[in-house]
Amino acid sequence: ILNVEQSPQSLHVQEGDSTNFTCSFPSSNFYALHWYRWETAKSPEALFVMTLNGDEKKKGRISATLNTKEGYSYLYIKGSQPEDSATYLCAFPNAGNMLTFGGGTRLMVKP
Amino acid sequence: EPEVTQTPSHQVTQMGQEVILRCVPISNHLYFYWYRQILGQKVEFLVSFYNNEISEKSEIFDDQFSVERPDGSNFTLKIRSTKLEDSAMYFCASRRDGQGGQPQHFGDGTRLSIL
Repeated sequence: ILNVEQSPQSLHVQEGDSTNFTCSFPSSNFYALHWYRWETAKSPEALFVMTLNGDEKKKGRISATLNTKEGYSYLYIKGSQPEDSATYLCAFPNAGNMLTFGGGTRLMVKP
Repeated sequence: EPEVTQTPSHQVTQMGQEVILRCVPISNHLYFYWYRQILGQKVEFLVSFYNNEISEKSEIFDDQFSVERPDGSNFTLKIRSTKLEDSAMYFCASRRDGQGGQPQHFGDGTRLSIL
């Protein structure tokens, strides 16, 4: 059983704050690391698929880094906005692309 | 942008009844998946499907579960005799091909409530 963990479980920030959260995953048999953004009553939406150690990806105010040797990825949000409020999931695929999910970080941004 | 669609959005069923959850994956996608999330728990993998057969399944996916792609567009999950513990949100996902570095595209989910 693969262990994919996310911290913190939930986070409350003020609009304009920058924030970050962590996903840890097994450092062996690494294929990729996925990040998804999941708003209530909607489908999880892919943010990033990271494949190389040292990868850094960016989409607007959201960016992610990857360390495959130590088994962690950080997701950063710069200048949080209320519309960033969502659950952020990381997922670790096996060779067959079966995803093992972390528990998610629930972000709430107060105006 | 093309999307994965799931029906119904909410299904309420008596324990012991059969239920079929339906999904229409993105049309040029070749790999299909079902996941579920029991309230308060992590999203869990159930099964993956490629080339008209199951490619991988989890321990959860026992003989009560089956999947089918009956007509080249729909992808269904059947639970033969539902139990209370089958109550969960069920997500369908699809992926374009076997190349690395691709995300899965998820539907909005079906909330299954077993009474």
